[in-house]
Amino acid sequence: SYELTQPLSVSVALGQTARITCGGNNIGSKNVHWYQQKPGQAPVLVIYRDSNRPSGIPERFSGSNSGNTATLTISRAQAGDEADYYCQVWDSSTAGVFGGGTKLTVL
Amino acid sequence: QVQLVQSGAEVKKPGASVKVSCKVSGYTLTELSMHWVRQAPGKGLEWMGGFDPEDGETIYAQKFQGRVTMTEDTSTDTAYMELSSLRSEDTAVYYCATRAAGTAFDIWGQGTMVTVSS
Repeated sequence: SYELTQPLSVSVALGQTARITCGGNNIGSKNVHWYQQKPGQAPVLVIYRDSNRPSGIPERFSGSNSGNTATLTISRAQAGDEADYYCQVWDSSTAGVFGGGTKLTVL
Repeated sequence: QVQLVQSGAEVKKPGASVKVSCKVSGYTLTELSMHWVRQAPGKGLEWMGGFDPEDGETIYAQKFQGRVTMTEDTSTDTAYMELSSLRSEDTAVYYCATRAAGTAFDIWGQGTMVTVSS
C-alpha cells in the first residue's frame, strides 16, 4: 500500500515562510493535493494537482512536487494560518491516501 | 456553488449500524463523485471510499470492505454511508466530500460525529 509521510509539527515566525513536506515513493509522478483544517472545522482544499490554488485561496499558498517529496509553502505566515495540513494523493492500488498531517504553529 | 449538508450526530452501541446522510445542493448528485472520509478524535483523515466515475462503480478502502455501504438517492440528491458492526474504534467525525474530475476533494460537508459506546 502507498504511504505518505509528513512531519508532526512545523513552526514558523510570524511573517516568515513555512514549508511542510510530504514524502512518498516517487510522489513526483502523482498529483498531490493539500488541505488545511482548523480545530472543529471541515478540511479546506488549499492546493490541488501539486501547485494549483482554488479560487479564494491566497497567493501566499504554493506547492511543488518532485522526486520523493512534495512541499506546501506558506509565505508571509499569518496567525490565521495556524492549522493542521494534510497532503493527499490518489494511488492506483490504495485509492485515496492521506498523509498523517502536520500541525503548523505560527510564533 | 455546491453545498453538502450532513445529518446530525449519532450515538450507537457496539455491534450496531449507523447511516449518515449528505444532502447536495447547487448541483445534482449525478454530476458529482461523492466520497466519504473519517477522522477519529485527535487523529488524521482517513479515506473510506467513494464513487469512481471512470468505472461507474463505488470503491471502498480495503479496511472497510464488507462493513461499509455507500449509496445515493438521485431523486433527493442525497448520498448515504452506512457502517455496520460498529466498534469503539469507529468513533469519529464522518465527512462527505466531492472529488472533482480526477483530482482533489474540493467540497466537504460539515461532518457528522458518530460515537460508539456501550
